[in-house]
Amino acid sequence: QTVVTQEPSLTVSPGGTVTLTCASSTGEVTSAYYPNWFQQKPGQAPRSLIYSTNDKHSWTPARFSGSLLGGKAALTLSGVQPEDEAEYYCLLYFSNSAWVFGGGTKLTVL
Amino acid sequence: EEQLVQSGAEVKKPGESLKISCKASGYRFISYWIGWVRQMPGKDLEWMGVIFPGDSDTRYSPSFQGQVIISVDKSISTAYLQWSSLKASDTAMYYCVRLPTLTIPRMDVWGKGTTVTVSS
Repeated sequence: QTVVTQEPSLTVSPGGTVTLTCASSTGEVTSAYYPNWFQQKPGQAPRSLIYSTNDKHSWTPARFSGSLLGGKAALTLSGVQPEDEAEYYCLLYFSNSAWVFGGGTKLTVL
Repeated sequence: EEQLVQSGAEVKKPGESLKISCKASGYRFISYWIGWVRQMPGKDLEWMGVIFPGDSDTRYSPSFQGQVIISVDKSISTAYLQWSSLKASDTAMYYCVRLPTLTIPRMDVWGKGTTVTVSS
């Protein structure tokens, strides 16, 4: 069974920069996995931020960016705001029937 | 406004059947895929499956194949997720999501979720 791994937790200071990563047990993550990133705050539905590695939705703040880094998918937040404190999930597309979410990264802004 | 409105919270007993819904509005229902995502209490997101309302083409995650049925009623722009015999382990929040295409997978609209509690 394919496992997608994220950092369990990260802490960043307001105004700082942080990078979250998303690794696959199958090996290198490439653009063919169409990495997606989602933000979820307590008691809310997830919100899509990034799709297809680095494409943003119209509502995605400019401080969020996606990339591939060292064989993983990555989400970078630059100029972190207090409201960015949330759980972040990645999703990798393996086939029409096998999309796998990562375990999530709890981002604390402190 | 494009939105997905999900049915209300459910409390069921093990062995009972259940069908929850996801009603689309503000866009052409038959032109977009609808997917379902499970989130067990305090746990991660899990992809369950997806359906194309235009022709009911349905793809299930291997983990959920045979466990649930995903369907649609085009006449009322509604997608469904159903169980024939619930288990306590089905207790979770269930989200429906919209996907413009599976070619470049992305989810642009999320429902607010339906809480399902299965307890004797």
